[in-house]
Amino acid sequence: GQNIDQPTEMTATEGAIVQINCTYQTSGFNGLFWYQQHAGEAPTFLSYNVLDGLEEKGRFSSFLSRSKGYSYLLLKELQMKDSASYLCAVRDLTDSWGKFQFGAGTQVVVTP
Amino acid sequence: GAVVSQHPSRVICKSGTSVKIECRSLDFQATTMFWYRQFPKQSLMLMATSNEGSKATYEQGVEKDKFLINHASLTLSTLTVTSAHPEDSSFYICSARDHSNGAQFFGPGTRLTVL
Repeated sequence: GQNIDQPTEMTATEGAIVQINCTYQTSGFNGLFWYQQHAGEAPTFLSYNVLDGLEEKGRFSSFLSRSKGYSYLLLKELQMKDSASYLCAVRDLTDSWGKFQFGAGTQVVVTP
Repeated sequence: GAVVSQHPSRVICKSGTSVKIECRSLDFQATTMFWYRQFPKQSLMLMATSNEGSKATYEQGVEKDKFLINHASLTLSTLTVTSAHPEDSSFYICSARDHSNGAQFFGPGTRLTVL
């Protein structure tokens, strides 16, 4: 999605922390979602923010600032299985269907 | 969590044939389903929004006569790729929105290869 920006790739070592930033522009914002996608598989839901602030779910946390059009996904205590693409998606209610616009994804590579 | 299934998971067909992909919400009703296409190392691109009982809404640049969508019930939407060509080879993923709470879940995807 051309209105959603996230880095292309990030590399980190096992046990470390990685923060994936996402900036967006949309007129009908109705929530920001993070998905994990392993190669050849469909995305799986990780987190959802509709209000400003931090949502924590185990090793994963997601933050949203609606005024800045900014979110991040924080992955703690990285494990090898966390190597995947992480997609930032914004739900847009402009046309009432609540379509998702996806970023291009951030490929996270976890090294031993 | 809620489950969305897709069938088939993988299909290989000859150029010129038509392929139908089914998307089912297994434990919730979905008045709205979305069809995406994803080429290797690219983002998911929304093709169309499928609405139960009405015509699908297609995104700009998606040919509605080539990608036929039928949302006949609250749990089933189908995408038919008509007269498939090699450039239609892609990963097709559906997503279903739970009518009761607005949550959205993805199917496992269908990998289409057109020879």
